[in-house]
Amino acid sequence: DAGVTQTPRHEVAEKGQTIILKCEPVSGHNDLFWYRQTKIQGLELLSYFRSKSLMEDGGAFKDRFKAEMLNSSFSTLKIQPTEPKDSAVYLCASSLEAGGGQNTLYFGAGTRLSVL
Amino acid sequence: GQGVEQPDNLMSVEGTFARVNCTYSTSGFNGLSWYQQREGHAPVFLSYVVLDGLKDSGHFSTFLSRSNGYSYLLLTELQIKDSASYLCAVRMPNYNVLYFGSGTKLTVEP
Repeated sequence: DAGVTQTPRHEVAEKGQTIILKCEPVSGHNDLFWYRQTKIQGLELLSYFRSKSLMEDGGAFKDRFKAEMLNSSFSTLKIQPTEPKDSAVYLCASSLEAGGGQNTLYFGAGTRLSVL
Repeated sequence: GQGVEQPDNLMSVEGTFARVNCTYSTSGFNGLSWYQQREGHAPVFLSYVVLDGLKDSGHFSTFLSRSNGYSYLLLTELQIKDSASYLCAVRMPNYNVLYFGSGTKLTVEP
């Protein structure tokens, strides 16, 4: 199965640490998204790449969050330094933009981050 | 975020129906999608609408009114396994970005 793969599944960090989350999109997909999910805020967009170019960087998340996509099959999300309020599930999704029409996002299983 | 609103919770009874509402007031619009998310799992695509009216897909149907900024997901002949969160997401023009509501948790009781 060549779905979206995220690692690690769980991460526990101390306040002030640097953590890096990883994502492998579906092969051939040209759009990649990072979302953060909490019960209160729901799904919040962190970053959006099209063909490895950063198209949107989620405004409010700029200062401590940095997403990169060095090649079409791998992306990272770095949080530096972590704060307790960053505790959430981080979801990576990919899609194939074929021009107009529906775009189905395929999500990974997510990384559950707990910051102590 | 981006003005996509959903009620937090909804309860219904097995064998009946449930209507999950979504209202939006985003800066642009290029279609609306619905996703199902079971507890502890990733969201899964259900439906996409871009034109006004009702789109019947059997167990799941979706309605859109662009002038009112309103959509609903209708689940018929409910089963216990339909208990999940249902997320609506508005697609923005120009790019592929989806802005999600916070989701409605549907509980189907026997």
